[in-house]
Amino acid sequence: GQQVMQIPQYQHVQEGEDFTTYCNSSTTLSNIQWYKQRPGGHPVFLIQLVKSGEVKKQKRLTFQFGEAKKNSSLHITATQTTDVGTYFCAKAAGNKLTFGGGTRVLVKP
Amino acid sequence: SQTIHQWPATLVQPVGSPLSLECTVEGTSNPNLYWYRQAAGRGLQLLFYSVGIGQISSEVPQNLSASRPQDRQFILSSKKLLLSDSGFYLCAWDGIYPNTEAFFGQGTRLTVV
Repeated sequence: GQQVMQIPQYQHVQEGEDFTTYCNSSTTLSNIQWYKQRPGGHPVFLIQLVKSGEVKKQKRLTFQFGEAKKNSSLHITATQTTDVGTYFCAKAAGNKLTFGGGTRVLVKP
Repeated sequence: SQTIHQWPATLVQPVGSPLSLECTVEGTSNPNLYWYRQAAGRGLQLLFYSVGIGQISSEVPQNLSASRPQDRQFILSSKKLLLSDSGFYLCAWDGIYPNTEAFFGQGTRLTVV
């Protein structure tokens, strides 16, 4: 089964609003990665977080790694229709990359 | 630059038929290679991963097998497909930690009928 849990599973957002998706682990993570998969496409790497409490921004996307390195979040401000897709977090442990269940984002214009 | 090729893009196979999906990577050596399956609207289930030629780790007991005959070639196979094998199959590679950004192929949408 999945070793990282993502909530919510689905997110319906009004265009222009903000939302946050969360990734939680029962064990301490050495790193966390985030990917975006557009409908019908393949996952594309967004970012990797390694340090406790790390915060990284990509335009309207803000990624955070928890102080205990057991959770992470992705916050999107002023949602646009181009943000539609599924956002996955993933943990790389040794030579294995395991994904969370994803948050499927639907944007209402 | 590195690229990953996965084919075919779509496949319709009858129940009980064999399967062979191929994935090749260019522009890198000794990559970690992965096969994932994604059911419609669901997450990415890790099926197999490989750290080197002939080295395969299976994550989920199932009707599928994987092989890595060459450093940059990863094959997903089945002797007899089941209806439950339908899904979107994705091949991916990444490098050595901490440069573990994964790159995915375009995926194969398999429908078993």
